[in-house]
Amino acid sequence: GEDVEQSLFLSVREGDSSVINCTYTDSSSTYLYWYKQEPGAGLQLLTYIFSNMDMKQDQRLTVLLNKKDKHLSLRIADTQTGDSAIYFCAENPNTGFQKLVFGTGTRLLVSP
Amino acid sequence: DGGITQSPKYLFRKEGQNVTLSCEQNLNHDAMYWYRQDPGQGLRLIYYSQIVNDFQKGDIAEGYSVSREKKESFPLTVTSAQKNPTAFYLCASSIRQQETQYFGPGTRLLVL
Repeated sequence: GEDVEQSLFLSVREGDSSVINCTYTDSSSTYLYWYKQEPGAGLQLLTYIFSNMDMKQDQRLTVLLNKKDKHLSLRIADTQTGDSAIYFCAENPNTGFQKLVFGTGTRLLVSP
Repeated sequence: DGGITQSPKYLFRKEGQNVTLSCEQNLNHDAMYWYRQDPGQGLRLIYYSQIVNDFQKGDIAEGYSVSREKKESFPLTVTSAQKNPTAFYLCASSIRQQETQYFGPGTRLLVL
């Protein structure tokens, strides 16, 4: 079945690291994505990881993938107030077309 | 300046009225998608199109219709049959199916 779960809320202080977690159920997914949504805006692609990778780093962002546990995480180093947003993870189950299954989103609040 | 545009930003619908949401992209992408976002939920797929003159129903197609007469354009009509249309609607595109999706800024639909 397809189901992507995320915690609803995370609060951190500016300068700390943030870790947003996601679990998925479809082991056939080839790519897993992280999107960022600011209030009233569309989704911005942050990063993605191919299923045969364990880790991907892109500046302040680190994605970790544990395929055995079907667990994906996004770490934001030196979190800034501008990072406050909703973060969605998404998987693309191997259904023959690019259908994304989204989690419910994690609202990150960064306080000064 | 390439990208995906959606218009209008806000749209109001009266009872029994059909309304059309616009989505245009100049990225030369073959595939386009429509998602619906409700508060506290992830995105749900309404319709998708892999190529011009072809489209397929997603998970929640009832009460919606689309057309794909041009590669650049994928308008979504919310018909009077959609009894709960209030939501944030997001359009996305990808180079072709199975590739990464990029999102437009969204249209918020409200019922008067």
